[in-house]
Amino acid sequence: DAGVIQSPRHEVTEMGQEVTLRCKPISGHDYLFWYRQTMMRGLELLIYFNNNVPIDDSGMPEDRFSAKMPNASFSTLKIQPSEPRDSAVYFCASSISGTYGYTFGSGTRLTVV
Amino acid sequence: EDQVTQSPEALRLQEGESSSLNCSYTVSGLRGLFWYRQDPGKGPEFLFTLYSAGEEKEKERLKATLTKKESFLHITAPKPEDSATYLCAVQANSGYALNFGKGTSLLVTP
Repeated sequence: DAGVIQSPRHEVTEMGQEVTLRCKPISGHDYLFWYRQTMMRGLELLIYFNNNVPIDDSGMPEDRFSAKMPNASFSTLKIQPSEPRDSAVYFCASSISGTYGYTFGSGTRLTVV
Repeated sequence: EDQVTQSPEALRLQEGESSSLNCSYTVSGLRGLFWYRQDPGKGPEFLFTLYSAGEEKEKERLKATLTKKESFLHITAPKPEDSATYLCAVQANSGYALNFGKGTSLLVTP
């Protein structure tokens, strides 16, 4: 089991550019979560999916952020246009039934300059 | 609104010196309380889930307990490899998102 796979591990981009973060959940997991971690705010939920359907996107900061899950094995988080305040570590996690411990990926460290 | 507060923010222990980390929470209907460990540059790693007051779970030198208002993570005779940030999170009955505290950074020195 390769765990939750995120790419890229690091991303440095200029303000105004589009950024796409990718996640492959563990096979058989039916819940997928996107979190953002900063020193100031800790881990914050952005959005989560159940069986590829978005359930709660109340944590998505604004219209610049969008997330998709076209199939059970792939999800993307897109930021367009990016801003320096988006700099953070973005984590993807997956879970069986949503009630057991999530398995987190290694994260994508995003730096917007 | 659900709230999770962890204390202390940072803790330094000598190897073998036992202690406890605290997680106070308010939630409208608790589905579960979760403890995670996070090492620098890595994603959080699942440790325990507690579902009801009075429940306890153990793993090696770690023991988690739960009351109606708080949870404790007891660390017995810690070793340097226990150094990490420990995160507490609550899951409400109304959904499946985890609401995390800001963590306790633990350093165990030889």
